[in-house]
Amino acid sequence: GENVEQHPSTLSVQEGDSAVIKCTYSDSASNYFPWYKQELGKRPQLIIDIRSNVGEKKDQRIAVTLNKTAKHFSLHITETQPEDSAVYFCAASIYDTGTASKLTFGTGTRLQVTL
Amino acid sequence: GAVVSQHPSWVICKSGTSVKIECRSLDFQATTMFWYRQFPKQSLMLMATSNEGSKATYEQGVEKDKFLINHASLTLSTLTVTSAHPEDSSFYICSASRQTATPYFGAGTRLSVL
Repeated sequence: GENVEQHPSTLSVQEGDSAVIKCTYSDSASNYFPWYKQELGKRPQLIIDIRSNVGEKKDQRIAVTLNKTAKHFSLHITETQPEDSAVYFCAASIYDTGTASKLTFGTGTRLQVTL
Repeated sequence: GAVVSQHPSWVICKSGTSVKIECRSLDFQATTMFWYRQFPKQSLMLMATSNEGSKATYEQGVEKDKFLINHASLTLSTLTVTSAHPEDSSFYICSASRQTATPYFGAGTRLSVL
């Protein structure tokens, strides 16, 4: 089955700096890669996702890059703010049209944005 | 976006009792729902895939007789933790999707077994 590794497990940055979280996956058939932000006791919230036919996607301060050959993808947060502090999870799945997506999650990164 | 409702949000039970958790898709039909478990400071681990009208598919290491899943309609899946023990205390989260890549998560159920 799919295996997703995520690094680092904790990340502390100063407000305004950038944060980068990296994930690798094992199954070359995986084609959908979402990123989630989870606050304590809450549900994961989708912040950005990318499909395998795209190498990069950006949404304001958040961007994701995908390298299919190397089987890794990264989350980039620029101009970090204290409210970005949370646990971030990457995930991977094999998506076929008309079927539901079963996600394999990375181990999570606890991001702390300090003033 | 689509809404997935999960109930209850928090439950405390005595060891040996059973607890039922409901997951509903409120504005769409979901032939497939997923159940995840998350222990403190850990990631979400898939427990099982709930299929409407058929048996659930369990991940390796998950006891199907302990975690009973029923997906009797296109909008409701239930997870019953039978004979719960303190080691079953965890955060249980369901997800459903509209047959697209993006799943929507329920708010989660925090189970505490005394």
